Amino acid sequence: KQEVTQIPAALSVPEGENLVLNCSFTDSAIYNLQWFRQDPGKGLTSLLLIQSSQREQTSGRLNASLDKSSGRSTLYIAASQPGDSATYLCAGEYGGSQGNLIFGKGTKLSVKP
Amino acid sequence: EAGVAQSPRYKIIEKRQSVAFWCNPISGHATLYWYQQILGQGPKLLIQFQNNGVVDDSQLPKDRFSAERLKGVDSTLKIQPAKLEDSAVYLCASSQKGTYGYTFGSGTRLTVV
Repeated sequence: KQEVTQIPAALSVPEGENLVLNCSFTDSAIYNLQWFRQDPGKGLTSLLLIQSSQREQTSGRLNASLDKSSGRSTLYIAASQPGDSATYLCAGEYGGSQGNLIFGKGTKLSVKP
Repeated sequence: EAGVAQSPRYKIIEKRQSVAFWCNPISGHATLYWYQQILGQGPKLLIQFQNNGVVDDSQLPKDRFSAERLKGVDSTLKIQPAKLEDSAVYLCASSQKGTYGYTFGSGTRLTVV
């Protein structure tokens, strides 16, 4: 069974800190791994997508890595800001199942001013 | 470009009643998805349409849930009769065929009492 796990479930940091969110998946035959952000009462916003042939992707202060052999992905946020406060979800997508994203439960991030 | 539109934003119904949700995807996006997100969980795919045909409905509780996408544009998700465990946020997403970028709507929050 394909499962995605995120640790920790919640994280609180002071503004300016660098932080890492973790995601692990049980099936290494992953097609791509995506990170989303979800704000309260809002839908999901796509942050980064890493294809299975890639090791990492960067966008601004965000960097996501993918290690298929260990079944892990990390999302690194540099110089965190209060506006980064949200729930971060990772999702694995498997070949032949476009659109069937297998989501983790998310990490709720709070950045304190 | 306009985002994925969903309505209503909130709905409260009693168990055994029926309810319908509406989604208008991004213009030109051939693929449309309905996800169910229970509080504290990641979203789970219910059904995927390619144009007006169903691609995957393996996780749709077909005894009470139904969905249609007439003319390959708007879509409606219906629950009849609703159960307490159907309380969740129902997210609609769309993507262009052959791509892995998804745009999610803000969702409909359903409470069954």
